[in-house]
Amino acid sequence: DARVTQTPRHKVTEMGQEVTMRCQPILGHNTVFWYRQTMMQGLELLAYFRNRAPLDDSGMPKDRFSAEMPDATLATLKIQPSEPRDSAVYFCASGLVIGQGSYEQYFGPGTRLTVT
Amino acid sequence: GESVGLHLPTLSVQEGDNSIINCAYSNSASDYFIWYKQESGKGPQFIIDIRSNMDKRQGQRVTVLLNKTVKHLSLQIAATQPGDSAVYFCAEKTGTGRRALTFGSGTRLQVQP
Repeated sequence: DARVTQTPRHKVTEMGQEVTMRCQPILGHNTVFWYRQTMMQGLELLAYFRNRAPLDDSGMPKDRFSAEMPDATLATLKIQPSEPRDSAVYFCASGLVIGQGSYEQYFGPGTRLTVT
Repeated sequence: GESVGLHLPTLSVQEGDNSIINCAYSNSASDYFIWYKQESGKGPQFIIDIRSNMDKRQGQRVTVLLNKTVKHLSLQIAATQPGDSAVYFCAEKTGTGRRALTFGSGTRLQVQP
């Protein structure tokens, strides 16, 4: 049963510290998405990649957030320095887009980040 | 994942009844729509999708209706079960160049046994 995995599942850190979240997309998927979910803002797209190339990161605060795909099996989202307002659940999702096919995204279980 | 929003609209139904969850979208250029279900502590899970060249699509116990005239999308769940209790999101994709989805704010479905 293929699924998206994310680590860590929970992270508590102090303001100013660096946070790195990792995602392993489903093997064979060619798109990867990072979302942030909060009580107030709901589900927000931060960045997405197709064939490992970043296509859109307009939803991401550039000064402190960075997203990369070192290889097809790993996507990372880094926050440096972290701030309390970054506290949220961060989801990674992957999908397979071919032509005008389905845009279904498979979500991971999320990383719950708390910045104190 | 966290449930979304202290002020999520909530639909409460009795077990066995049919549920209808509505979603309004604003971009007439949106050409693809998905419904997701999110249970407490989990990521969103795909339910059903529909393209803008269709007005109805059926799955197992679920039906999605699309009314492009009024930019409205609905999800119908037949014979609602306690396991259907979750937050439901509609998402849309706009245009041919952008592949990302834009998610709505969600509706909480509560099924009373």
